[in-house]
Order: sequence, then structure tokens, then C-alpha cells
Amino acid sequence: EVQLVESGGGLVQPGRSLKLSCAASGFTFSNYYMAWVRQAPKKGLEWVATISTSGSRTYYPDSVKGRFTISRDNAKSSLYLQMNSLKSEDTATYYCARVPFLTTVALDYWGQGVMVTVSS
Amino acid sequence: DIQMTQSPASLSASLGETVTIECRASEDIYNGLAWYQQKPGKSPQLLIYNANSLHTGVPSRFSGSGSGTQYSLKINSLQSEDVASYFCQQYYDYPWTFGGGTKLELK
Repeated sequence: EVQLVESGGGLVQPGRSLKLSCAASGFTFSNYYMAWVRQAPKKGLEWVATISTSGSRTYYPDSVKGRFTISRDNAKSSLYLQMNSLKSEDTATYYCARVPFLTTVALDYWGQGVMVTVSS
Repeated sequence: DIQMTQSPASLSASLGETVTIECRASEDIYNGLAWYQQKPGKSPQLLIYNANSLHTGVPSRFSGSGSGTQYSLKINSLQSEDVASYFCQQYYDYPWTFGGGTKLELK
């Protein structure tokens, strides 16, 4: 069974940093692209980052480019999101998701999400 | 960026009814489209990928169609467990973008 479990969320002040983690199990982690997607309270979904199987390629929207860094450790089957210079508009539930890329780049499995609140 | 316009924003339907949700892209996305279902308090789940392929384990009453800039999700014979929000997403080009969502309720 595919499982994705996020951790590391919490309350952080504007301008500070936070690192999210996602522990994967139930599949060969190193064979899949991975992504982060966020959802502000009562709002829609926003794609945040994608990383290739080896970690050599990363992709971001302009809203987080230069502030957020996606990375992975295939030996630990773990995905990370380093978030720097946080803003109030980064407040959201953050989901990690699997990208099966050989058949599609839709997000076929999602974690339960972790809440990040940016506030003073 | 490719804009995804989803309609309607909310929808009320009866059990057993057929429901259709539309998604329009601001440019051709060549079937690079997915549909997700999100129940209250839960994470999104993939329903349809590549515009018309049913994800593993998804009931056959869900179907996707469309091409170019116009896509739709159809739910046949609405069930109570289908009450949820539905989102489309284009992954044809970066940045990946989502539609605003459709909240489906029972009448």
C-alpha cells in the first residue's frame, strides 16, 4: 500500500524558515518523481514544487522560486521541502504527492497533509 | 501560465442523477489533464488522468472526456459518497495549475 506521511509543520513567524518532510513507503521511491502541493484554508490547490527521480531536476512556480527548495533522499525514501523567507500567504496545508511520470504526470497518491501557519 | 477555469463553482444534485463538471484551459493542453476528488477534511484523490483514463480503484461511474481546451468530468448515477469538491489540473506545461474547484452537494 502506498503511504506518504508528511511532518514538520507548525507555527512560524514571517521571514523565518521551516523544513517539511515526507516519508514514503509501499513503493520504490527512487523510481518516481515527487511533488508538493499546498492548499490555503478554504481555498483551492496550488502546485509548489516537483523533483525528478535522481533529484537533478527541480521545478517551481514563481510564487516560491528562490525561497523554497525541494530535495529527496532516495536511501531514506524521503522527500523534503525547505521553506525560507516565509510569508503570511504561505499559510496552507502542504501535501506531498507521487508522480508516476512514465504513464502520466498526474499526482496519483497524496499524503494526509501538514499544516503550516505563518504568523507573528 | 495556463489558466484553468472550472464550472460550476458549486452544484446541487439528487441521488442517481448524472452530473457534469467542466474545465476550460486558456490554451491547448493536449489531454494533459487530471481530475481529483477531495472529501471534507481529507487529501485529494486522483480520479482521472490524461483526460479520460480512470485511475486504479475509481468506480466506473466516473468518466472524463474532452480535448484541446475543453474538458469535462461526468459522474453517472450520483451516490452519497460522491459529495466532495472536485478539481481539475493541467500538467501539460509548467507551472502546473488547478481549476478553482466545484463543490458538489446533495439536493
